[in-house]
Amino acid sequence: AQSVTQLDSHVSVSEGTPVLLRCNYSSSYSPSLFWYVQHPNKGLQLLLKYTSAATLVKGINGFEAEFKKSETSFHLTKPSAHMSDAAEYFCAVTGGFKTIFGAGTRLFVKA
Amino acid sequence: DVKVTQSSRYLVKRTGEKVFLECVQDMDHENMFWYRQDPGLGLRLIYFSYDVKMKEKGDIPEGYSVSREKKERFSLILESASTNQTSMYLCASSLLVQGARGAKNIQYFGAGTRLSVL
Repeated sequence: AQSVTQLDSHVSVSEGTPVLLRCNYSSSYSPSLFWYVQHPNKGLQLLLKYTSAATLVKGINGFEAEFKKSETSFHLTKPSAHMSDAAEYFCAVTGGFKTIFGAGTRLFVKA
Repeated sequence: DVKVTQSSRYLVKRTGEKVFLECVQDMDHENMFWYRQDPGLGLRLIYFSYDVKMKEKGDIPEGYSVSREKKERFSLILESASTNQTSMYLCASSLLVQGARGAKNIQYFGAGTRLSVL
């Protein structure tokens, strides 16, 4: 069985400071992992994906995530937050047809 | 770019009405999905389809049905809408690619339909 846990429901950072959104996963086989971003009243947009190639994955808008098998984690980071990063972020794991989504982390960015 | 289009951004319906939510994708994807999104619960899979006329129940299919008569179109049907079906509904499509290390299934989402049932 597969599952995803996003460890924080809300994260608040100041503009220009680093962002860390945490995600742990459980999978009985080699997973594909994703981060999606959702801005208000919009659908989900793919930020980045891990599909068993390089463990450090770079995505759009300066985000990156590192796959750590020993820790079963796939945390999302960005060195410097921008006001436009304020949104909800979803971690997801997939195997076959179905994708399992975490409950989401809402990122607030303070000026 | 993949485009997934949901026919309505906002809908308001009355209890007991039959409701159709339409989704169209333009990338010839085999797989299509319907999710509902509620605060604190993330996305929950209602139904998915891996081919024309094929459908599979997701995690919360009760009160819903689907139709996939053409590859590009996947419809979600609420037979008799109830207030607890007030939610954001998201459609997605994907192409399942089998690789040496397993399957890759990247989903592309529509903008969502916010449904209110009064």
